[in-house]
Amino acid sequence: QSALTQPPSASGSLGQSVTITCTGTRSDVGSYKSVSWYQQHPNKAPKLIIFEVDKRPSGVPDRFSGSKSGNTASLTVSGLQAEDEADYYCNSYVGSRRVFGTGTSITVL
Amino acid sequence: QARLVQSGAELKKTGASVKVSCKTSGYPFNTYYIHWVRQAHGQGLEWIGRIDPRSGDSKVAQIFQGRVTLTRDTSVSTTYMDLTNLKSDDTAVYYCSDLGPSDSWGQGTQVTVSS
Repeated sequence: QSALTQPPSASGSLGQSVTITCTGTRSDVGSYKSVSWYQQHPNKAPKLIIFEVDKRPSGVPDRFSGSKSGNTASLTVSGLQAEDEADYYCNSYVGSRRVFGTGTSITVL
Repeated sequence: QARLVQSGAELKKTGASVKVSCKTSGYPFNTYYIHWVRQAHGQGLEWIGRIDPRSGDSKVAQIFQGRVTLTRDTSVSTTYMDLTNLKSDDTAVYYCSDLGPSDSWGQGTQVTVSS
């Protein structure tokens, strides 16, 4: 099972929006409504920000939103804030296993 | 509140084995699958495998099959990840997590493999 494909980096100015993609196949992203997104700051454990494609856990700001079309899932961060600068990883079911994306580093300009 | 506590850092020689533990508290042990994830320094997250604490059924990523064994001991609410035939590129921080909506993560265990 290969890692899901994400762009290595993305950037946006304070207050702007940025969208990152997570591309898989019919066997993973395309088959399940179980795509999640994780945010990771340096030397910290990942934090769940989106699950089941577009659901936010309690406490996650509604600036974070998720969607999916076909084999590609997307994460949009609206109204970028300085603390959004971090690495972001998607994760999908693939059968009874899971797979992570390659990760995207978001820079806030 | 769910809490996952992992065993401490390990320093191993190439070819050796390591066993990392993950103790669950704050919710019934059988509630969620426990997943194992690793991250080498400066690299991305890699899913290793998962275990169903209720049945003991486990699934491991193809790349780790034959080298990783996941087990659990229900009497102490603890799951274990055993990684054999260690190589230098197994050096990483290993996490346990439920990878679910409760977003519970262990604190991470540094495993360092050197010759």
